[in-house]
Amino acid sequence: AQKITQTQPGMFVQEKEAVTLDCTYDTSDQSYGLFWYKQPSSGEMIFLIYQGSYDEQNATEGRYSLNFQKARKSANLVISASQLGDSAMYFCAMREAEIFGNEKLTFGTGTRLTIIP
Amino acid sequence: NAGVTQTPKFRVLKTGQSMTLLCAQDMNHEYMYWYRQDPGMGLRLIHYSVGEGTTAKGEVPDGYNVSRLKKQNFLLGLESAAPSQTSVYFCASSYRSGRGYEQYFGPGTRLTVT
Repeated sequence: AQKITQTQPGMFVQEKEAVTLDCTYDTSDQSYGLFWYKQPSSGEMIFLIYQGSYDEQNATEGRYSLNFQKARKSANLVISASQLGDSAMYFCAMREAEIFGNEKLTFGTGTRLTIIP
Repeated sequence: NAGVTQTPKFRVLKTGQSMTLLCAQDMNHEYMYWYRQDPGMGLRLIHYSVGEGTTAKGEVPDGYNVSRLKKQNFLLGLESAAPSQTSVYFCASSYRSGRGYEQYFGPGTRLTVT
């Protein structure tokens, strides 16, 4: 079974609108971390936001926020006021068992977001 | 700071040839990783290292070897390249374990095996 599922292979959004990218995960660990990365057409991976499983509040970083619903095992990325520069691939990733020495990330297959002017 | 750098950026190999990909980081990070990215499959962990002189297998280690002789360098070797190893390879590093320590990625190496 896939540990990280991103069900939207591609999305088109009008500039300045908000967009939600879906991510669901599967783990039996109580302690884990969820990440979102952006990969523009140039190819580099850019860290966007992090949510720990014990964090009581949803993470926010500028225009990015993470809608964390633990019971549903979902960690959706919300981008407010989208910009043309937001066009990229977006990957959700999970690090299970946040214990010392375990830094392995499992990535989803990604969502290609295209912002329309 | 250069961050995480990878050498080379592009490479074409023939089946059976060998090569080494070099990853270097100047952030004094303890942890380093090698991933491969294939179309429609996201990133998959090949090998990783939690410190100088230590390495461990990831999700897809077969056909690859690694070495971490110096803290700042992590080498990925292909002893006998196969077409199935055509991919984009990313190196990453992170400061240490624990919550919130994200991985920093290099620019990637595009490898084609014919």
